Amino acid sequence: TQLLEQSPQFLSIQEGENLTVYCNSSSVFSSLQWYRQEPGEGPVLLVTVVTGGEVKKLKRLTFQFGDARKDSSLHITAAQPGDTGLYLCAGRATDSWGKFQFGAGTQVVVTP
Amino acid sequence: DARVTQTPRHKVTEMGQEVTMRCQPILGHNTVFWYRQTMMQGLELLAYFRNRAPLDDSGMPKDRFSAEMPDATLATLKIQPSEPRDSAVYFCASGYGSSYNEQFFGPGTRLTVL
Repeated sequence: TQLLEQSPQFLSIQEGENLTVYCNSSSVFSSLQWYRQEPGEGPVLLVTVVTGGEVKKLKRLTFQFGDARKDSSLHITAAQPGDTGLYLCAGRATDSWGKFQFGAGTQVVVTP
Repeated sequence: DARVTQTPRHKVTEMGQEVTMRCQPILGHNTVFWYRQTMMQGLELLAYFRNRAPLDDSGMPKDRFSAEMPDATLATLKIQPSEPRDSAVYFCASGYGSSYNEQFFGPGTRLTVL
């Protein structure tokens, strides 16, 4: 079972600042997903990346999949309080039928 | 706005009791996942169904947990007997089973076993 490591574990920033969270593994993934989870709710899918080197943008969020498909990053520009949440990455192994392994998450707090 | 629904949202029970959690996947989705989330272990996959057939339940303690899909609109997760270490939030997720395997999560069932 591959291990997905997310860093940092916790991030507290002021509104308007930028932030980056990372998801790393020693294993290769066929695809990788990012989710945001708010208290008392289930995770909500933000993006799926499948191609090494792929960059996807979703408004102020930029997602990058590493060239070797072993790592990914999520960058938020000009963070807002609404970006507060637990950010989870989930990777699907190349030999998996569709099963995703989740990282432990990065808790992001954006204060006004 | 189609959503995955889960019942109950909260459950408090005593050790040794049977617990049944229910999930209604989004209409038309053919894959269903059960996850457990704790502070220590994060999100762990317990079971996975495609077209109502169990494909993987390797993450589930077999002696006390069971997962079924009696029909396409209902998935159940049972714990019998429950133990305090089962206390967690249990999530159900459904999807189309496409190559992107997007999963739509329900709001979860928060289980406390005393």
